[in-house]
Amino acid sequence: AQKITQTQPGMFVQEKEAVTLDCTYDTSDQSYGLFWYKQPSSGEMIFLIYQGSYDEQNATEGRYSLNFQKARKSANLVISASQLGDSAMYFCAMRGLLNAGNNRKLIWGLGTSLAVNP
Amino acid sequence: DGGITQSPKYLFRKEGQNVTLSCEQNLNHDAMYWYRQDPGQGLRLIYYSQIVNDFQKGDIAEGYSVSREKKESFPLTVTSAQKNPTAFYLCASSTRGYQETQYFGPGTRLLVL
Repeated sequence: AQKITQTQPGMFVQEKEAVTLDCTYDTSDQSYGLFWYKQPSSGEMIFLIYQGSYDEQNATEGRYSLNFQKARKSANLVISASQLGDSAMYFCAMRGLLNAGNNRKLIWGLGTSLAVNP
Repeated sequence: DGGITQSPKYLFRKEGQNVTLSCEQNLNHDAMYWYRQDPGQGLRLIYYSQIVNDFQKGDIAEGYSVSREKKESFPLTVTSAQKNPTAFYLCASSTRGYQETQYFGPGTRLLVL
């Protein structure tokens, strides 16, 4: 069965420092995608970054980068130069094979709460 | 501005009452989804639709119903059969391309009186 594990319920980081949020996944699929979303206290789920299983390079989007280690089945999110506005819940999610029974379901982790201290 | 809108932001339901949550998108996305989020839990899929007039049950469809009469709209009805409806409901939409990123609306918080 597919599963996403986020082992850090809460994290603290000092403003302007980098922080790594952990995500490990379990799947028997060869083709899959990994996503990170940010959920501030307002509730909206904001897409941050995507990594495909066949992508050879780690994905980057501005201050966000994804440390993808396929053999270890990990897809950690790295936020550089943390800002106060980065305080939020962060969710890792995985999508399996496209058109596998027409199921486009995302599998979600339980999230990590990040607090950025001034 | 392109995006996904959900209304209302807060919704109160009385016992035995059906309520409908609105979700509209102007991103020209084919696929739309409804999720439920409870405190301390990840998102759980209620229903999803890949094209107009077609939808499939997700993991927790019991007590919910949907329709997809227009590409832009995917309303969710929480019926009286849903015994524990208090939660945060998120609507999302996506393209059908390889990356198929889901983009979310601002959510509706449903409370039972």
